[in-house]
Amino acid sequence: QKEVEQDPGPLSVPEGAIVSLNCTYSNSAFQYFMWYRQYSRKGPELLMYTYSSGNKEDGRFTAQVDKSSKYISLFIRDSQPSDSATYLCAMIGIVGSNYKLTFGKGTLLTVNP
Amino acid sequence: DVKVTQSSRYLVKRTGEKVFLECVQDMDHENMFWYRQDPGLGLRLIYFSYDVKMKEKGDIPEGYSVSREKKERFSLILESASTNQTSMYLCASSPTYPEGTQYFGPGTRLLVL
Repeated sequence: QKEVEQDPGPLSVPEGAIVSLNCTYSNSAFQYFMWYRQYSRKGPELLMYTYSSGNKEDGRFTAQVDKSSKYISLFIRDSQPSDSATYLCAMIGIVGSNYKLTFGKGTLLTVNP
Repeated sequence: DVKVTQSSRYLVKRTGEKVFLECVQDMDHENMFWYRQDPGLGLRLIYFSYDVKMKEKGDIPEGYSVSREKKERFSLILESASTNQTSMYLCASSPTYPEGTQYFGPGTRLLVL
């Protein structure tokens, strides 16, 4: 089983929809969880950063972490065409003998006006 | 704002050529990274540097080398470019690793013919 699994999509939704992006992981040592957003022809940029299980909200974005199920989600409310991008989850923890950052492969989201 | 710049947005090189990709950050970050990003494979770490003249191999260092002579500059070198090195190359910097936010450059799309 891969360390971090992320559905690559593509995911296409109408403007105003609620979007749910998800990652699962197998390594219980992961401690920090992030979501990066990458617009076309740009580098990724940090969107959300969480540590504990539960929800963290920032405007229209909510990051959810369920450590017991090894599952993280990013919810986007009232999605806008400007949210169209690739969303990458990322996690930090001990992998093998190293303490490292591991990215998911990304989900391509398109929000249609 | 943190700014990470990469020397080229697009490069076309021939098989066997030596290729230099340069990255500069302006926030005095200790850590700098080189990733490649490929469809279906996501972001993969090639090398990172945690200080001047210090480097560590990432997940896919074969065929690449790096140089960090100054804190703000991190170079990726393809000693003898091959077609399987055609990819998007992303540089990033971070104040701490692995917990710190990674700030990415815009990427260099390299085509090796």
